[in-house]
Amino acid sequence: DARVTQTPRDKVTEMGQEVTMRCQPILGHNTVFWYRQTMMQGLELLAYFRNRAPLDDSGMPKDRFSAEMPDATLATLKIQPSEPRDSAVYFCASGLALGTGGETQYFGPGTRLLVL
Amino acid sequence: KNQVEQSPQSLIILEGKNCTLQCNYTVSPFSNLRWYKQDTGRGPVSLTIMTFSENTKSNGRYTATLDADTKQSSLHITASQLSDSASYICVVSLSGNTPLVFGKGTRLSVIA
Repeated sequence: DARVTQTPRDKVTEMGQEVTMRCQPILGHNTVFWYRQTMMQGLELLAYFRNRAPLDDSGMPKDRFSAEMPDATLATLKIQPSEPRDSAVYFCASGLALGTGGETQYFGPGTRLLVL
Repeated sequence: KNQVEQSPQSLIILEGKNCTLQCNYTVSPFSNLRWYKQDTGRGPVSLTIMTFSENTKSNGRYTATLDADTKQSSLHITASQLSDSASYICVVSLSGNTPLVFGKGTRLSVIA
């Protein structure tokens, strides 16, 4: 049963610390997304990759957030330095885009981040 | 401004009853519209994806409709079950890229 995995599931850290979240997309999927969800804002798209190339990261605060795909089986989202307002659930999703988009996205369980 | 508005914000219904959730959007140019179900503490799960030319799409007891002229979509749930209790999120994709515009969701509670 293929699924997206994310680590860690929960993270508590202090303001100013670096946070790295990892995602393993479903094998064979060529598109990976990073989302953030809060009660106030709902779901927001932070960045996404196709065939490991970053296509859009306009939703991401550039000064402190960075997203990478070192290889096809790993995507990372890093926050440095972290701030209390970064507290949220971060979801990774993957999909297989065959044409102009509209692929079904499969979400991971999320990383719940609390920055004190 | 590209926006997706969902209504109602929350809804409580009795088990076995039907319900309809609404999604209005002002996104342009439009590519597709998705409905997701999100259980508490879990990631969203895709229910349906509809393109401009599709009027309706079903997934079991879930039926989504799309009126691209009025820019409205609805998600109809038939014979609700306790397990339907979740948030339902409407997401619209812009043409040419994947960038997505999200609704805030409707919180559905099905009670016995």
